[in-house]
Amino acid sequence: RKEVEQDPGPFNVPEGATVAFNCTYSNSASQSFFWYRQDCRKEPKLLMSVYSSGNEDGRFTAQLNRASQYISLLIRDSKLSDSATYLCVVNEDTGRRALTFGSGTRLQVQP
Amino acid sequence: DVKVTQSSRYLVKRTGEKVFLECVQDMDHENMFWYRQDPGLGLRLIYFSYDVKMKEKGDIPEGYSVSREKKERFSLILESASTNQTSMYLCASSLPVTERNIQYFGAGTRLSVL
Repeated sequence: RKEVEQDPGPFNVPEGATVAFNCTYSNSASQSFFWYRQDCRKEPKLLMSVYSSGNEDGRFTAQLNRASQYISLLIRDSKLSDSATYLCVVNEDTGRRALTFGSGTRLQVQP
Repeated sequence: DVKVTQSSRYLVKRTGEKVFLECVQDMDHENMFWYRQDPGLGLRLIYFSYDVKMKEKGDIPEGYSVSREKKERFSLILESASTNQTSMYLCASSLPVTERNIQYFGAGTRLSVL
Protein backbone atom coordinates (compact mmCIF):
# COMPACT_ATOMS: atom_id res chain seq x y z
CA ARG A 1 0.00 0.00 0.00
CA LYS A 2 1.32 3.44 -0.93
CA GLU A 3 1.95 5.81 1.94
CA VAL A 4 0.36 8.74 0.13
CA GLU A 5 -2.36 8.01 -2.42
CA GLN A 6 -3.91 10.24 -5.01
CA ASP A 7 -6.25 9.76 -7.94
CA PRO A 8 -3.96 10.22 -10.97
CA GLY A 9 -6.73 11.79 -13.08
CA PRO A 10 -6.67 13.47 -15.47
CA PHE A 11 -9.35 15.84 -14.34
CA ASN A 12 -10.59 17.72 -17.41
CA VAL A 13 -12.58 20.81 -16.44
CA PRO A 14 -13.74 23.94 -18.27
CA GLU A 15 -12.41 27.36 -17.37
CA GLY A 16 -14.24 28.83 -14.41
CA ALA A 17 -15.11 25.46 -12.90
CA THR A 18 -14.46 24.43 -9.33
CA VAL A 19 -12.43 21.26 -8.91
CA ALA A 20 -11.36 19.32 -5.83
CA PHE A 21 -8.64 16.75 -5.28
CA ASN A 22 -8.29 14.41 -2.34
CA CYS A 23 -5.29 12.60 -1.01
CA THR A 24 -5.04 9.96 1.71
CA TYR A 25 -2.02 9.14 3.87
CA SER A 26 -1.34 5.99 5.84
CA ASN A 27 0.87 7.18 8.71
CA SER A 28 -1.30 8.63 11.47
CA ALA A 29 1.80 10.17 13.06
CA SER A 30 2.37 12.44 10.06
CA GLN A 31 3.20 15.94 11.16
CA SER A 32 2.88 18.36 8.29
CA PHE A 33 1.25 18.47 4.91
CA PHE A 34 1.67 20.32 1.66
CA TRP A 35 0.44 20.64 -1.89
CA TYR A 36 3.11 21.06 -4.55
CA ARG A 37 2.45 21.92 -8.16
CA GLN A 38 4.46 20.46 -11.05
CA ASP A 39 4.17 21.76 -14.59
CA CYS A 40 4.95 19.46 -17.49
CA ARG A 41 8.68 18.64 -17.59
CA LYS A 42 9.42 21.07 -14.77
CA GLU A 43 10.35 20.69 -11.12
CA PRO A 44 7.79 20.59 -8.28
CA LYS A 45 7.15 23.88 -6.51
CA LEU A 46 5.37 24.51 -3.25
CA LEU A 47 1.77 25.61 -3.81
CA MET A 48 0.67 25.80 -0.20
CA SER A 49 1.05 24.27 3.21
CA VAL A 50 -1.98 22.61 4.77
CA TYR A 51 -2.94 23.63 8.28
CA SER A 52 -5.16 21.73 10.69
CA SER A 53 -7.79 24.45 10.67
CA GLY A 54 -7.82 24.67 6.88
CA ASN A 55 -6.36 27.55 4.92
CA GLU A 56 -7.02 29.60 1.84
CA ASP A 57 -4.76 31.34 -0.64
CA GLY A 58 -6.74 33.23 -3.24
CA ARG A 59 -8.66 30.68 -5.31
CA PHE A 60 -7.06 27.73 -3.53
CA THR A 61 -8.34 26.14 -0.32
CA ALA A 62 -6.59 23.30 1.48
CA GLN A 63 -8.11 21.21 4.24
CA LEU A 64 -6.84 18.48 6.52
CA ASN A 65 -8.89 15.76 8.18
CA ARG A 66 -6.66 13.98 10.66
CA ALA A 67 -9.35 11.57 11.84
CA SER A 68 -9.85 10.22 8.32
CA GLN A 69 -6.26 10.87 7.26
CA TYR A 70 -6.98 12.83 4.13
CA ILE A 71 -6.06 16.16 2.67
CA SER A 72 -7.99 18.09 0.07
CA LEU A 73 -7.30 20.89 -2.38
CA LEU A 74 -10.11 22.98 -3.84
CA ILE A 75 -9.53 25.25 -6.81
CA ARG A 76 -12.24 27.79 -7.59
CA ASP A 77 -12.71 29.65 -10.88
CA SER A 78 -10.16 27.47 -12.70
CA LYS A 79 -7.79 29.18 -15.13
CA LEU A 80 -5.98 27.69 -18.10
CA SER A 81 -2.76 28.34 -16.19
CA ASP A 82 -3.89 25.99 -13.42
CA SER A 83 -3.25 23.04 -15.75
CA ALA A 84 -0.54 21.02 -14.02
CA THR A 85 0.02 18.00 -11.81
CA TYR A 86 -0.74 18.54 -8.14
CA LEU A 87 1.35 16.54 -5.69
CA CYS A 88 0.16 15.73 -2.20
CA VAL A 89 3.12 15.74 0.17
CA VAL A 90 3.43 14.53 3.75
CA ASN A 91 6.13 14.90 6.36
CA GLU A 92 5.73 11.67 8.23
CA ASP A 93 8.05 12.40 11.11
CA THR A 94 9.70 15.64 12.07
CA GLY A 95 12.88 13.67 12.74
CA ARG A 96 13.09 12.23 9.25
CA ARG A 97 13.57 15.49 7.35
CA ALA A 98 12.47 13.91 4.10
CA LEU A 99 9.01 14.25 2.59
CA THR A 100 6.79 11.56 1.13
CA PHE A 101 5.19 12.45 -2.18
CA GLY A 102 2.04 11.18 -3.77
CA SER A 103 2.15 10.31 -7.46
CA GLY A 104 0.14 13.39 -8.34
CA THR A 105 -3.21 14.31 -9.82
CA ARG A 106 -3.20 15.80 -13.29
CA LEU A 107 -5.50 18.74 -13.99
CA GLN A 108 -6.31 19.97 -17.48
CA VAL A 109 -8.34 23.16 -17.69
CA GLN A 110 -9.95 23.62 -21.08
CA PRO A 111 -11.10 26.80 -22.80
CA ASP B 1 15.04 33.46 -4.13
CA VAL B 2 16.31 29.99 -3.38
CA LYS B 3 18.26 28.56 -6.25
CA VAL B 4 19.01 24.88 -6.69
CA THR B 5 21.04 24.17 -9.80
CA GLN B 6 21.56 20.79 -11.41
CA SER B 7 24.52 20.57 -13.74
CA SER B 8 22.78 18.92 -16.69
CA ARG B 9 19.21 18.97 -17.99
CA TYR B 10 19.68 15.98 -20.28
CA LEU B 11 22.24 13.20 -20.13
CA VAL B 12 22.72 10.08 -22.25
CA LYS B 13 25.03 7.36 -20.95
CA ARG B 14 25.86 3.78 -21.78
CA THR B 15 25.27 0.74 -19.58
CA GLY B 16 28.17 0.23 -17.20
CA GLU B 17 29.38 3.83 -17.24
CA LYS B 18 29.99 5.72 -14.02
CA VAL B 19 27.67 8.71 -13.90
CA PHE B 20 27.90 11.85 -11.74
CA LEU B 21 24.92 14.13 -11.22
CA GLU B 22 25.78 17.40 -9.54
CA CYS B 23 23.57 19.70 -7.51
CA VAL B 24 24.41 23.09 -6.00
CA GLN B 25 22.26 25.30 -3.79
CA ASP B 26 22.93 28.90 -2.87
CA MET B 27 20.81 29.32 0.26
CA ASP B 28 23.09 27.75 2.85
CA HIS B 29 20.60 24.94 3.42
CA GLU B 30 21.68 22.10 5.69
CA ASN B 31 19.50 19.43 4.09
CA MET B 32 19.86 18.16 0.56
CA PHE B 33 18.01 15.36 -1.21
CA TRP B 34 18.10 13.26 -4.34
CA TYR B 35 14.88 11.85 -5.81
CA ARG B 36 14.00 10.02 -8.96
CA GLN B 37 10.64 10.49 -10.64
CA ASP B 38 9.03 7.90 -12.85
CA PRO B 39 5.53 7.88 -14.41
CA GLY B 40 2.96 6.44 -12.05
CA LEU B 41 5.46 6.11 -9.20
CA GLY B 42 5.90 9.73 -8.22
CA LEU B 43 9.02 11.00 -6.50
CA ARG B 44 11.05 8.41 -4.64
CA LEU B 45 13.84 9.34 -2.25
CA ILE B 46 17.26 7.91 -3.09
CA TYR B 47 19.54 9.56 -0.51
CA PHE B 48 19.61 12.63 1.63
CA SER B 49 22.19 14.55 3.59
CA TYR B 50 21.68 16.74 6.64
CA ASP B 51 25.25 17.99 6.97
CA VAL B 52 28.59 17.97 5.22
CA LYS B 53 29.92 14.43 4.93
CA MET B 54 26.70 13.05 6.41
CA LYS B 55 24.29 10.93 4.39
CA GLU B 56 21.32 8.69 4.94
CA LYS B 57 19.70 6.15 2.67
CA GLY B 58 16.28 6.91 1.37
CA ASP B 59 13.74 4.43 0.04
CA ILE B 60 15.63 3.24 -3.06
CA PRO B 61 19.40 3.61 -2.51
CA GLU B 62 20.47 0.46 -4.36
CA GLY B 63 22.81 1.19 -7.25
CA TYR B 64 23.50 4.74 -6.09
CA SER B 65 25.93 6.53 -3.81
CA VAL B 66 26.30 10.17 -2.82
CA SER B 67 28.95 12.64 -1.82
CA ARG B 68 28.70 15.86 0.17
CA GLU B 69 32.11 17.42 0.64
CA LYS B 70 30.81 21.01 0.81
CA LYS B 71 27.59 22.33 2.24
CA GLU B 72 26.34 23.75 -1.04
CA ARG B 73 27.04 20.70 -3.21
CA PHE B 74 25.45 17.24 -3.20
CA SER B 75 26.46 14.70 -5.83
CA LEU B 76 24.64 11.55 -6.89
CA ILE B 77 26.80 8.77 -8.32
CA LEU B 78 25.69 5.82 -10.38
CA GLU B 79 28.63 3.45 -10.01
CA SER B 80 27.66 1.33 -13.02
CA ALA B 81 24.68 2.71 -14.87
CA SER B 82 21.93 0.31 -15.88
CA THR B 83 18.93 0.77 -18.16
CA ASN B 84 16.52 0.65 -15.21
CA GLN B 85 18.15 3.84 -13.94
CA THR B 86 16.76 5.77 -16.89
CA SER B 87 14.66 8.39 -15.14
CA MET B 88 14.21 12.03 -14.17
CA TYR B 89 16.48 12.91 -11.23
CA LEU B 90 15.56 15.78 -8.97
CA CYS B 91 17.71 17.43 -6.35
CA ALA B 92 16.17 19.44 -3.49
CA SER B 93 17.33 21.39 -0.46
CA SER B 94 15.74 22.64 2.74
CA LEU B 95 16.53 24.33 6.01
CA PRO B 96 17.01 22.21 9.15
CA VAL B 97 13.96 20.41 10.47
CA THR B 98 11.32 22.98 11.16
CA GLU B 99 7.64 22.67 11.61
CA ARG B 100 7.05 23.09 7.90
CA ASN B 101 10.11 21.53 6.20
CA ILE B 102 9.63 23.12 2.75
CA GLN B 103 11.85 21.73 0.00
CA TYR B 104 13.11 23.62 -3.03
CA PHE B 105 13.87 21.68 -6.19
CA GLY B 106 16.30 21.96 -9.05
CA ALA B 107 15.06 21.78 -12.64
CA GLY B 108 15.90 18.08 -12.90
CA THR B 109 18.23 15.91 -14.97
CA ARG B 110 16.64 13.56 -17.48
CA LEU B 111 19.02 10.61 -17.70
CA SER B 112 18.83 7.98 -20.42
CA VAL B 113 20.95 4.86 -20.06
CA LEU B 114 21.32 2.94 -23.32
